[in-house]
Amino acid sequence: NAGVMQNPRHLVRRRGQEARLRCSPMKGHSHVYWYRQLPEEGLKFMVYLQKENIIDESGMPKERFSAEFPKEGPSILRIQQVVRGDSAAYFCASSGDYNSPLHFGNGTRLTVT
Amino acid sequence: SQQGEEDPQALSIQEGENATMNCSYKTSINNLQWYRQNSGRGLVHLILIRSNEREKHSGRLRVTLDTSKKSSSLLITASRAADTASYFCATEGRSASKIIFGSGTRLSIRP
Repeated sequence: NAGVMQNPRHLVRRRGQEARLRCSPMKGHSHVYWYRQLPEEGLKFMVYLQKENIIDESGMPKERFSAEFPKEGPSILRIQQVVRGDSAAYFCASSGDYNSPLHFGNGTRLTVT
Repeated sequence: SQQGEEDPQALSIQEGENATMNCSYKTSINNLQWYRQNSGRGLVHLILIRSNEREKHSGRLRVTLDTSKKSSSLLITASRAADTASYFCATEGRSASKIIFGSGTRLSIRP
């Protein structure tokens, strides 16, 4: 049973380009979370989705950032017109239900040049 | 915010000693979870303790939860070099709520 798969592992974008980060949750999991982490810091909550629904996006900037978790296919975190401050590690996690532990992917490290 | 805050931020102990990390949070929770992160990797779940539980064990790990004080502790007994990592607490709030992480404790085990 494959774990949470994130791709790409590393992504380099120039300022102004778009970044698309993909996350395939564990099989059978319908809850997906996205977090952002800067070096030596904790995880900052961005968005919580269930299949086809955004449950809580309070941690995600209203401009340039969007997330989706379609009925079929992976969850996508999309960052438009990236800026240097978007450089960070972005982690996806999935769970099967409430009161259940999160299973994390190994993250996508975004570098904006 | 229901964010957990860990204490201390960094901890260095001798191999074989016990390590204790604390977590405080602000609002009512469904559960509290502890995770471990090795450098450059994703987080690994250690223990989940529900709001109606007071203590839980898993191998060398012991977690306590005091909902009256809104605090939790993680004890690692007989530490090993391989326990060197960052440890995070996370809280899940009531009813379909997001899971929020604290800022973590960086644990170093000296050989």
